[in-house]
Amino acid sequence: GAVVSQHPSWVICKSGTSVKIECRSLDFQATTMFWYRQFPKQSLMLMATSNEGSKATYEQGVEKDKFLINHASLTLSTLTVTSAHPEDSSFYICSARDASGDTDTQYFGPGTRLTVL
Amino acid sequence: GNSVTQMEGPVTLSEEAFLTINCTYTATGYPSLFWYVQYPGEGLQLLLKATKADDKGSNKGFEATYRKETTSFHLEKGSVQVSDSAVYFCALIGTNAGKSTFGDGTTLTVKP
Repeated sequence: GAVVSQHPSWVICKSGTSVKIECRSLDFQATTMFWYRQFPKQSLMLMATSNEGSKATYEQGVEKDKFLINHASLTLSTLTVTSAHPEDSSFYICSARDASGDTDTQYFGPGTRLTVL
Repeated sequence: GNSVTQMEGPVTLSEEAFLTINCTYTATGYPSLFWYVQYPGEGLQLLLKATKADDKGSNKGFEATYRKETTSFHLEKGSVQVSDSAVYFCALIGTNAGKSTFGDGTTLTVKP
């Protein structure tokens, strides 16, 4: 099946620093990628939709200046958490949309655990 | 808007027991339906999917049938194993630019 990678798998940073998370589709091209946040024992919360070559679309309540998204190529989207604070600590998961063929499926990365001290 | 309602957990079963996790949905048109599995500390893995009414998705002994008349996509497995312990998410993709709508997840624990 399709493979999506994320890097890093975990990161610990100091409050006030910025952290970049990469999401790559390894064996297919994804014009659309999604970024989610997951709190312990909860479902996924969609943060934004990342479209290749255009601006990301953010969900209501998500600060676009804090969570910068760039989708520079058909296989790479990045999420930068700017001026991170402890409340930004969470599990961030990306997915890549494969709309080729006759089905529309999202494939998920393994997630990135962010801890802000 | 679209919504997915999953059976509340947690669910605890003995090894080799029969598993059912209920999932119902609300959506306009004809969504595609999915089950994902999440192991501790990991992302979501696609378990199975169905794209039209009466389709049956199956993988690793798990099955789910797309029932449009009851708007359901219940997950079943005839004989669970300890390694099936995980969180299971039901999801749909509607017509809104490929966005997924997820259920709240059901935690399954299988005891030997």
